[in-house]
Formats: sequence, structure tokens, C-alpha cells
Amino acid sequence: GAGVSQSPRYKVTKRGQDVALRCDPISGHVSLYWYRQALGQGPEFLTYFNYEAQQDKSGLPNDRFSAERPEGSISTLTIQRTEQRDSAMYRCASSRTASGNTIYFGEGSWLTVV
Amino acid sequence: ILNVEQSPQSLHVQEGDSTNFTCSFPSSNFYALHWYRWETAKSPEALFVMTLNGDEKKKGRISATLNTKEGYSYLYIKGSQPEDSATYLCASANSNSGYALNFGKGTSLLVTP
Repeated sequence: GAGVSQSPRYKVTKRGQDVALRCDPISGHVSLYWYRQALGQGPEFLTYFNYEAQQDKSGLPNDRFSAERPEGSISTLTIQRTEQRDSAMYRCASSRTASGNTIYFGEGSWLTVV
Repeated sequence: ILNVEQSPQSLHVQEGDSTNFTCSFPSSNFYALHWYRWETAKSPEALFVMTLNGDEKKKGRISATLNTKEGYSYLYIKGSQPEDSATYLCASANSNSGYALNFGKGTSLLVTP
């Protein structure tokens, strides 16, 4: 697609529910990143992929968070048993190759856990 | 996860002032340094990507320098304008952290007329 597309843009969920956030990167981009961004703060690294391989998941806060990119294109970030502290904006970004290239951000998915 | 530090946290200048801020990052196994401009409610937009020690890049009134040996980069804005008001983010990637791009918390710039 023309840009990085994320869905849903806004999600309100009850504590304890599972949530799946989707990212559709720019067509042909090899690298895909997930970040979490609190209000007024820089993006906090969660995980990233080259093609379908998860290169680094050291930023995932705990084992309730997981991500996949099974065909090397669309990626899903899943949060199980959501908690209120998970409320944040989740941003996806992609780049043509590894991080020597500009990365392009999506508009983000706002998650609110009530 | 690497520590990328930015200073100052926020800055308030008058229109026409020139300003600069700092990004410090781990210098070992350095791979790339990025600067982004971020306006609230929008997505961060790329300003510069730098990879070589001594790199200097310029876009209009904004320029950046890179020192990979000591692990810092400066972003300069000449003759600040109100439309420059935004948060400026830097991010660094190192080969021993899997090339993941780690961001600092940003410097929030406010330029008043």
C-alpha cells in the first residue's frame, strides 16, 4: 500500500480480554517494527521482524505480548489478558531493509483498557 | 535494549532564535542514527538517517551532525519558526542489538512568535 496501515485505529476493551492489533506495512518493505508510545513520549521499542523472522523481541514487556508476521507482510501484535497499564498507542513502522534506511510509521492504534 | 538519551527534555525559544539539541547513544557496534520530527496526533516523520562518523546532513534550516566515536549527534535549527514546534526524536541502531531502532524520549521544542 501507499503507507503503513494499522487497524483498528481505536480500541476500547475490558480488562482481561485479548486484543489483536494489525499492521499492513508498505509493500515490499522487509523490516517491520512495533513500538508503544505513551502520551508525549518517544516510541518504546517492542519487537521487530525481517521478512517473517522475528529478529528481536526484547522490548515486549511480558509474556502476555506476542507478535507474528507469518508471510513476511502483515503483522499482528496480540496482547492477552489485557490490563489497564497496557493502555497506550501502539505504532507499527516499516523500512525497505534494515535500520540503515528511513522507517515509516503508521498512524497507530490507540488501545484503552477499562 | 540500548539507552538513547536526549537533552534537553524541552525547550522554549523565540521566533528567529537558533537552537540545538543533543542525542547520545552507545557508540559500540554503531550502525545508524536517525532523527525524526513528531507533531502530536501525527506520525513521526523522518528528517535524517546518518551512518558515518563525521556525517553532516542538512534540510532547509535544519541540520545534524554525527560523532560515532563518542556517541552523540546534534540537531541544529537556524532561525526557528513557530512551525518548527514539535518533538524531535532520535533513534540509534547497533549491530549487537540486532539492528533494532531504539528511540530516545525526545526533545519538545516550542517556538513562540
